Parts: sequence; structure tokens; C-alpha cells
Amino acid sequence: AQRVTQPEKLLSVFKGAPVELKCNYSYSGSPELFWYVQYSRQRLQLLLRHISRESIKGFTADLNKGETSFHLKKPFAQEEDSAMYYCALSSISGGSYIPTFGRGTSLIVHP
Amino acid sequence: NAGVTQTPKFQVLKTGQSMTLQCAQDMNHEYMSWYRQDPGMGLRLIHYSVGAGITDQGEVPNGYNVSRSTTEDFPLRLLSAAPSQTSVYFCASSGRQVEGNEQFFGPGTRLTVL
Repeated sequence: AQRVTQPEKLLSVFKGAPVELKCNYSYSGSPELFWYVQYSRQRLQLLLRHISRESIKGFTADLNKGETSFHLKKPFAQEEDSAMYYCALSSISGGSYIPTFGRGTSLIVHP
Repeated sequence: NAGVTQTPKFQVLKTGQSMTLQCAQDMNHEYMSWYRQDPGMGLRLIHYSVGAGITDQGEVPNGYNVSRSTTEDFPLRLLSAAPSQTSVYFCASSGRQVEGNEQFFGPGTRLTVL
């Protein structure tokens, strides 16, 4: 079984501070990890995926297979980063492209 | 492309009533799924489909039915609504991609069961 854990329900920081949203997973195969974001009154959308090794809106995430983690980081938070963030895992090897989501972390960036 | 569309946006039901939440996508995606979003619980998978005529249960399927007669449509039926089904419902779709299967979400349906 696959599981995604986001230990923080809420993360509150000030503008310009570094941000790290934690994500840990459990899966015996080779996982695909994603971060999705939901801004206020908008639909969920993909922020980034580990396989692309990209940086989106200043956010990065590195897959650490040894620690089974995929933490989302940004060196300097902006007010517009305030949103709900979900970590997700899918497993192509299992034959299903339907991801499992974590419970989400609400990020609030204060001015 | 309209992407993933959902109707209605809002709905209020009385306990015991039935209704269907509509979901459609115009991206020719194979995979479609329904999630419910509850505070502190994140997104939980209700049902999903890997192609027309094929559906399967997710984490929280009780009280819901689905069917997939076409590639485009994936309706979610509540058979006898209960207050515990008060939630925001999201439909999503995805296709096979080389760089990971990005989920495309609909705008959501906010359901209240009295």
C-alpha cells in the first residue's frame, strides 16, 4: 500500500522567510512524486513533479529515497504563496496512474 | 479546450435524497477520478476509472456509485445522501505521459446535506 504523510496542517511564516513543507511517503516500488497547489477560490493545479527536476515559482523539491521524503522548499516566501499544498504519489509500476494525496498543508505568508 | 468541467457548483440536499454530480473532460484522457476534500482529511479518492467501461473503488467508496460509458464523462451518484457526505467534490483526469501523469482537476462541487 502507498501512503503520503504531510505532518503539518498549517505553516505560518513571514514574507521573505524560508519555507519548507514536509512530505514523507511509503511505497515499496519506484514512486512518482508531485506537489499540487490550491490557491483561494481556484482549482487544484500541479506545482511540480520530481521526475522533471524543475523549479516553479521559486519552489523546488528533491526526492530523497533514503529518507522517503519529498519536501517542498522555497528560500524566500511571498504573500502570493499562501495556499493549500498537497503532496501526491503515484505508481506506474502498480499499473495505476491514480495518485494518493496527503492531507495537505495550509501555508500562510504574512506581510 | 474546456479541460475538466463539473456541475453543479453548489448543491444542498436533504438526508435521503439522491443526486448525480456531473464531470466531463475534453482532453481524451484515459484516467478519471473523484475525490472528496474535507478539512484536515485532505483529498480522499472515492472512485476511479482507467478507461471507458472500467471503474474501481478508491479509499472511501461507500454511498457512491460511478459509471464510465464514454471517455469524456464520469458521473458520481449519491444514492441516499447523508450529512457525512457534506464535502467538496473534485473530479480529475489524466493521460499517460512520459514525465509523470499530471492530474487535471475540475472546479469542484460544494455539497451540503442537511
